[in-house]
Amino acid sequence: DAGVTQSPTHLIKTRGQQVTLRCSPKSGHDTVSWYQQALGQGPQFIFQYYEEEERQRGNFPDRFSGHQFPNYSSELNVNALLLGDSALYLCASSPGRNSYEQYFGPGTRLTVT
Amino acid sequence: QQPVQSPQAVILREGEDAVINCSSSKALYSVHWYRQKHGEAPVFLMILLKGGEQKGHEKISASFNEKKQQSSLYLTASQLSYSGTYFCGLDGGTSYGKLTFGQGTILTVHP
Repeated sequence: DAGVTQSPTHLIKTRGQQVTLRCSPKSGHDTVSWYQQALGQGPQFIFQYYEEEERQRGNFPDRFSGHQFPNYSSELNVNALLLGDSALYLCASSPGRNSYEQYFGPGTRLTVT
Repeated sequence: QQPVQSPQAVILREGEDAVINCSSSKALYSVHWYRQKHGEAPVFLMILLKGGEQKGHEKISASFNEKKQQSSLYLTASQLSYSGTYFCGLDGGTSYGKLTFGQGTILTVHP
């Protein structure tokens, strides 16, 4: 049973560029949440997708957007990258909109230069 | 608001016990505990729900004091594999899955 997978593993971008990160949830999971984790900090909630709609959003600017596909996989897009966007981006999936347990993927390490 | 974890770091010898605390200034619906090893994803340990229900996947225990808005994670007879950073994530009850994480507690277990 495959767990949560994310791609790419690492990414280096330049300020002002745009990036797309991808996530495939654990088998049987239909809810995907995205988190940003700066070095030495806890993860910060970006947004959550369920039934292909953004259900909740954290305190992140509109430069951060996402999408969920019919197969429950998800993308995180960040436009106009800033140096401060450098972080580990984690995807977490859970089984059902009322489930409490979230399972994290290995993350994508984004470096903005 | 971000929950406050204490201590920030703890060093143990194998077999020793540790307690990690997590407190919030807001009412809690559930507390989620995760362990993250360097360079890896956070791994789910346990959820404590308002009303006393617990869901866990490892031999780790925890408590949830709703009145005090606090949770504690108890690690007994620690093993080398327990080393990592422990995070508590709080759900205020209005939003399933929107977790607010603490700053983490670094646990190091030595032989």
